[in-house]
Amino acid sequence: AQKITQTQPGMFVQEKEAVTLDCTYDTSDQSYGLFWYKQPSSGEMIFLIYQGSYDEQNATEGRYSLNFQKARKSANLVISASQLGDSAMYFCAASPRETSYDKVIFGPGTSLSVIP
Amino acid sequence: DTGVSQNPRHKITKRGQNVTFRCDPISEHNRLYWYRQTLGQGPEFLTYFQNEAQLEKSRLLSDRFSAERPKGSFSTLEIQRTEQGDSAMYLCASSLVVRLPVGETQYFGPGTRLLVL
Repeated sequence: AQKITQTQPGMFVQEKEAVTLDCTYDTSDQSYGLFWYKQPSSGEMIFLIYQGSYDEQNATEGRYSLNFQKARKSANLVISASQLGDSAMYFCAASPRETSYDKVIFGPGTSLSVIP
Repeated sequence: DTGVSQNPRHKITKRGQNVTFRCDPISEHNRLYWYRQTLGQGPEFLTYFQNEAQLEKSRLLSDRFSAERPKGSFSTLEIQRTEQGDSAMYLCASSLVVRLPVGETQYFGPGTRLLVL
């Protein structure tokens, strides 16, 4: 069974600064996918970034990058140049297969507040 | 492309009543997922469809829950004999699985918030 751990229930960051949101996962699968989602107060889940377990390079999407350390089973999200609109809940998630969302598991989330 | 839509957005019901939610995925998306999210938690997977076939059901989906996707387009999630513990946000997501090994991206709807009194 998979388990996602996000140890930071809440984080604060100064506008324009970078912030790292932690995520560790526990899986026995050989192949898996890792995801980050943003959920603003409106409730809609917004896909941010994806990393496959066999991808050798860390995924990047604009200001988002995923610091993937397979041996440590960590998939931290780095947001560069924080903006006020980044204030939201952030969820790390994993799927048991690199190419499918079957049985995807979400972590408990980290609440990020960007301070002007 | 109008995105994933869900109706109703909010539902208040009395314990013991049946409720039905609807999800309209992005057109041409072949996969549709249902999740439940309680306050302060991440979404929990309930079930998903590939076209009209229901391929996976979580053990969270008790006998009181049933989901359908009759024509492979919209889906309904019905909860019978609702209990107070069913109060949650019910999220729908859709994706297009075209070829492997490219990872798919799920697009979520705004959710239906259920309150059982």
